[in-house]
Order: sequence, then structure tokens, then C-alpha cells
Amino acid sequence: GEEVAQTPKHLVRGEGQKAKLYCAPIKGHSYVFWYQQVLKNEFKFLISFQNENVFDETGMPKERFSAKCLPNSPCSLEIQATKLEDSAVYFCASSQSGLAGLYEQYFGPGTRLTVT
Amino acid sequence: GNSVTQMEGPVTLSEEAFLTINCTYTATGYPSLFWYVQYPGEGLQLLLKATKADDKGSNKGFEATYRKETTSFHLEKGSVQVSDSAVYFCALSDRGGGGSNYKLTFGKGTLLTVNP
Repeated sequence: GEEVAQTPKHLVRGEGQKAKLYCAPIKGHSYVFWYQQVLKNEFKFLISFQNENVFDETGMPKERFSAKCLPNSPCSLEIQATKLEDSAVYFCASSQSGLAGLYEQYFGPGTRLTVT
Repeated sequence: GNSVTQMEGPVTLSEEAFLTINCTYTATGYPSLFWYVQYPGEGLQLLLKATKADDKGSNKGFEATYRKETTSFHLEKGSVQVSDSAVYFCALSDRGGGGSNYKLTFGKGTLLTVNP
């Protein structure tokens, strides 16, 4: 598609429950990025993929967070045993690569996760 | 590491006023620079970009010039409208080359409110 699609738009989970978020990148874009936007607008990079391969996972809290981008499927971000501090808006972005590196990143509308 | 500092808001202006939002950066390499805009309840939209020194990005009446000597990328608009009310984020990413991770590093955002 021509836009990055994210589902669901809103997700409510009780503390300790699992949360799974999905992202369909723009067709033809080989890079996918996940960011977490917490209170006061602060963005935190979580993980990026080049096609189905993890490209950079330096931002991931590995003990509870995992992510995948499998061929012919939406990418996913999963949080096992959610905590209150996981409440945030999770954005997915995609980008295509060029000779000089990557082009700009295009963002999806986000998934708002509320942990109660 | 990379970092972005932008003026903290909120900024409140009357319609047709001149807008400047300051942004300075620190980067280990030679980054690409971006301004993103987030309207209430929506995701991030790319507003403009610049990829090399002295480049001017422009879109919808907004402009920003990549100033390598002052490590700045200030956003300006000559005459704001009520519809420009949003949060504006300055961001940078590595441009490419060995070791680039391409993740966006964001400033903390500036809330702009334009009154009729």
C-alpha cells in the first residue's frame, strides 16, 4: 500500500497480559522501524528491520519485548507480561533504501497501548 | 551519540504571525535533518527535510536550512494559520556508510497553538 498501516488503533491490557501490535509497511520499502512515544512526546527507538532481518535492536527491552518481520506478513511487536510503564503510543515507520543510504521514514498512525 | 535540542514550548501565536522554532543537533557523522509534524490524535507526518549543508527544505510555507557551521536546522514560516496548530519535531538520522543505523533521533517536540 501507499501508507504504513498499524493495527489495532487502541489496545487495553491488564498488567501482566500480553500485547501484540502489527505494522504493514509501504510496499517496496525494505526497512521497518518501531518507536515508542511516551508522555511529554518523547520518542524512543526500539528496533529496526531490513526485510525480515533484525537491523538494529539496541533500543529493545529484551526481557519482555520481541519483534518479527516475516515475508508476506505484517511486522509485529509483542510485549509479554505488560507493565504500567509500557503504556505509550507505538509507531511503526518504513523507508526505502537508496545508493546514498535510506530515504525518509514514513510513519503509521500508531497504536495506543494502555496498561491498567 | 546523536542528540537533538529544540526550543520547548508551548508557542502561542496569532494568525499571520511569523514562526521560528529553533533546533540544534549533535551528531557523530554527517546526518540528514528532518522536521515532522504531529496533528492532534494523529501520527507523524514528514514536513520537510535536508540532506546536506546549506540545503533548504520547504513545504506548505515552512522552511528550514541545514547549517553545518552552527549545527542548526531552525523551522520558519512567514504567516501561520490556525490549521498549523500541532506539535513539531526536529529529528536527524545517519545518512549512510559503515556503521549507520538510520534510526531517527528526535527532539522533545514543540507545541504550537495558533489563535484566530
